[in-house]
Amino acid sequence: DAKTTQPTSMDCAEGRAANLPCNHSTISGNEYVYWYRQIHSQGPQYIIHGLKNNETNEMASLIITEDRKSSTLILPHATLRDTAVYYCIVRVGIIIQGAQKLVFGQGTRLTINP
Amino acid sequence: DSGVTQTPKHLITATGQRVTLRCSPRSGDLSVYWYQQSLDQGLQFLIQYYNGEERAKGNILERFSAQQFPDLHSELNLSSLELGDSALYFCASSVGAGTEYEQYFGPGTRLTVT
Repeated sequence: DAKTTQPTSMDCAEGRAANLPCNHSTISGNEYVYWYRQIHSQGPQYIIHGLKNNETNEMASLIITEDRKSSTLILPHATLRDTAVYYCIVRVGIIIQGAQKLVFGQGTRLTINP
Repeated sequence: DSGVTQTPKHLITATGQRVTLRCSPRSGDLSVYWYQQSLDQGLQFLIQYYNGEERAKGNILERFSAQQFPDLHSELNLSSLELGDSALYFCASSVGAGTEYEQYFGPGTRLTVT
């Protein structure tokens, strides 16, 4: 399983872009990078995922380095509601059996300050 | 709102008892997952079902069991409860079973064992 390393905590001012880094130096060629977040004790929320190319959706952008050993999740205009724990996950899948699980690390606790 | 529902929201019970947690997946989703989140262990994958069939298993205790019914809802049964079983239990669902499908989480059931 490819492991990920994230900073324990980060702060960002409201209205600014929040950039959350993730290292995944042992990622395999066919493994995706997924981002989830958990607001307080709610269920984790899917944000975005990518393989090689940069991805953008209505919530965030994902920038993956060319060597795929690291990535950055960007929240373009952070609001107070973006305060949460953000998890960077390299997908673990058992292709033959059609199975999967998410392996959560400790994540980054992002605090958006007014 | 992810579309995944879980009942009950809160459950308080005594050691040695048995409880059943229920999950209804999003409409159209065939795969269901169970996760446990405790303060000291973080989010841990327990088990995955796809269309009634068990597909992947994590570190699920023998005292715990799960099943997915023909209408695709799932139940997680916890027996001989111990204080250490106190945790948030999340259910997630996805359209398919493989790694390419993102998982959507429910709001969780908070179990307190006294």
